[in-house]
Amino acid sequence: ETGVTQSPTHLIKTRGQQVTLRCSSQSGHNTVSWYQQALGQGPQFIFQYYREEENGRGNFPPRFSGLQFPNYSSELNVNALELDDSALYLCASSLDVGAQYFGPGTRLTVT
Amino acid sequence: GQSLEQPSEVTAVEGAIVQINCTYQTSGFYGLSWYQQHDGGAPTFLSYNALDGLEETGRFSSFLSRSDSYGYLLLQELQMKDSASYFCAVSRALYNFNKFYFGSGTKLNVKP
Repeated sequence: ETGVTQSPTHLIKTRGQQVTLRCSSQSGHNTVSWYQQALGQGPQFIFQYYREEENGRGNFPPRFSGLQFPNYSSELNVNALELDDSALYLCASSLDVGAQYFGPGTRLTVT
Repeated sequence: GQSLEQPSEVTAVEGAIVQINCTYQTSGFYGLSWYQQHDGGAPTFLSYNALDGLEETGRFSSFLSRSDSYGYLLLQELQMKDSASYFCAVSRALYNFNKFYFGSGTKLNVKP
């Protein structure tokens, strides 16, 4: 059974640019959630996708958007990057309301 | 709104027992989860409580009291590898999905 994978591992972007982060969910998991984790803080919920539809959203502006594909993999897109977007971006897949399984994350640095 | 409170840091010695508390305020509460995160790593699922009571998984146990909006994670026979940050997370039922809120984490330092 393959776990959750994310790419890339690290990314450096300039303010104003756009970025796409990718996530492959654990086999059979139809729900993917994205989180932003600043240093020393807990993960902050960005949004969740269930069977290719956005299924809930946290307090993030519309420049944070996403997609989920038929194989349940997912993308997080961030437009007009700001310095405060520098963080660890985590995706987590799940099958039910209990456990979420996190990928290793993408460390985004905005300069 | 919603809030979760947990201690920022706890120190214990190898072999001891430590309890990490979590109090929460949220509407539409569905369940309480616990995650472990080592420095530079991803959060790892430890336990989930939807009903009151104690859930035991090996050296780790988790407790929930819905009436008190309170839970805790109990780690027994502490090992050096248990040094990590521990997060409680509330799942809040909204329509047809669960929205998860994480606390700021408790850094556990295990000393020899």
